[in-house]
Amino acid sequence: DGGITQSPKYLFRKEGQNVTLSCEQNLNHDAMYWYRQDPGQGLRLIYYSQIVNDFQKGDIAEGYSVSREKKESFPLTVTSAQKNPTAFYLCASSPGAGGVVGELFFGEGSRLTVL
Amino acid sequence: DAKTTQPPSMDCAEGRAANLPCNHSTISGNEYVYWYRQIHSQGPQYIIHGLKNNETNEMASLIITEDRKSSTLILPHATLRDTAVYYCIVRVAMNFGNEKLTFGTGTRLTIIP
Repeated sequence: DGGITQSPKYLFRKEGQNVTLSCEQNLNHDAMYWYRQDPGQGLRLIYYSQIVNDFQKGDIAEGYSVSREKKESFPLTVTSAQKNPTAFYLCASSPGAGGVVGELFFGEGSRLTVL
Repeated sequence: DAKTTQPPSMDCAEGRAANLPCNHSTISGNEYVYWYRQIHSQGPQYIIHGLKNNETNEMASLIITEDRKSSTLILPHATLRDTAVYYCIVRVAMNFGNEKLTFGTGTRLTIIP
């Protein structure tokens, strides 16, 4: 089935460690996005990528890094510079022309806990 | 992008219509209204969007007032699986691939058996 796969679903990390969250899609979507969600809060945009080898910062990019070497993949690295990394991370993608503009397809999320 | 105001929570009896309001009094003429929902611990799901005409799809109906300052999402026959947080988002017309959306805190809808 087509969709967005995020892994791992749960991740524990010690302070000072970098961690990479995986996001893979087989929907042939050009654009991909990373959001962060804290308990009881809405979603905040971290990074997004409209095309391979290109990406832009969102509203809260500090302490995060991304890459987009392949159309299908958009991994997010949470670095030790991120002061409060414990959160629920959501990856999304959107289709190009022929789809519904503004319709994002989300993965199931990755829950990161810093110990 | 215009700011939206939604009630923090609502209850609805199973089988009844759920009417979720959204206030967007500062909306501009080129801004669309989008609705998403998020079931607990899952990613949000697109429901519907509109500009000024009422819209209906297999999931819901969207009613936008004539002055466009408010809208209502209607789930015609609510089921327990409709229990979720519903987000109302106002956004200028987007280009494909530049669909950055800002999700607020939404309305937590609970369907009561």
